[in-house]
Amino acid sequence: EPEVTQTPSHQVTQMGQEVILRCVPISNHLYFYWYRQILGQKVEFLVSFYNNEISEKSEIFDDQFSVERPDGSNFTLKIRSTKLEDSAMYFCASLSSSSSYEQYFGPGTRLTVT
Amino acid sequence: DAKTTQPPSMDCAEGRAANLPCNHSTISGNEYVYWYRQIHSQGPQYIIHGLKNNETNEMASLIITEDRKSSTLILPHATLRDTAVYYCIALKTSYDKVIFGPGTSLSVIP
Repeated sequence: EPEVTQTPSHQVTQMGQEVILRCVPISNHLYFYWYRQILGQKVEFLVSFYNNEISEKSEIFDDQFSVERPDGSNFTLKIRSTKLEDSAMYFCASLSSSSSYEQYFGPGTRLTVT
Repeated sequence: DAKTTQPPSMDCAEGRAANLPCNHSTISGNEYVYWYRQIHSQGPQYIIHGLKNNETNEMASLIITEDRKSSTLILPHATLRDTAVYYCIALKTSYDKVIFGPGTSLSVIP
């Protein structure tokens, strides 16, 4: 069964550093998402991406965050200058089309900012 | 999107049916009821969705009341691997962002 993959599984970085989290959505999917989950809290929406542009973003997704689909297969989330509070599990998800119903989530990247 | 309310936790004996309730009294006519679950530290997983009619797939059944103000997710024969947090979500379209609430933490007990 096709699946969303994410790399790395765990990233440790120092405060102020830039990080790039990578996702490979399921082939031929058209809608892409990033969510995050701070330890012990609920999953929160960050951003959705369709047709090579952001379709919606949350208040969390400020100027420090950006997304890109550089080569038609990868979907990346960049945090320019990480803060301690960015420590969380980051999940990528993809959806086949507007007539599909299941967002497929990846296994997540655990980001630890020290 | 309509707000949903779920009990914070439930237990179920292994092999028995797990019935997880959800209230969505403000749901609008064009909002679907979706269920996702999250097994510890894994990415959320879609289970089932419905609009008005009851639905069944290989994972679960979804019973929606006639007035659509509440629904029940049924796992017919719960296993230990079904221990997870279950989320009931109202969505107008599948490509909407998924707003996860606190969900119901289901513990399947041997």
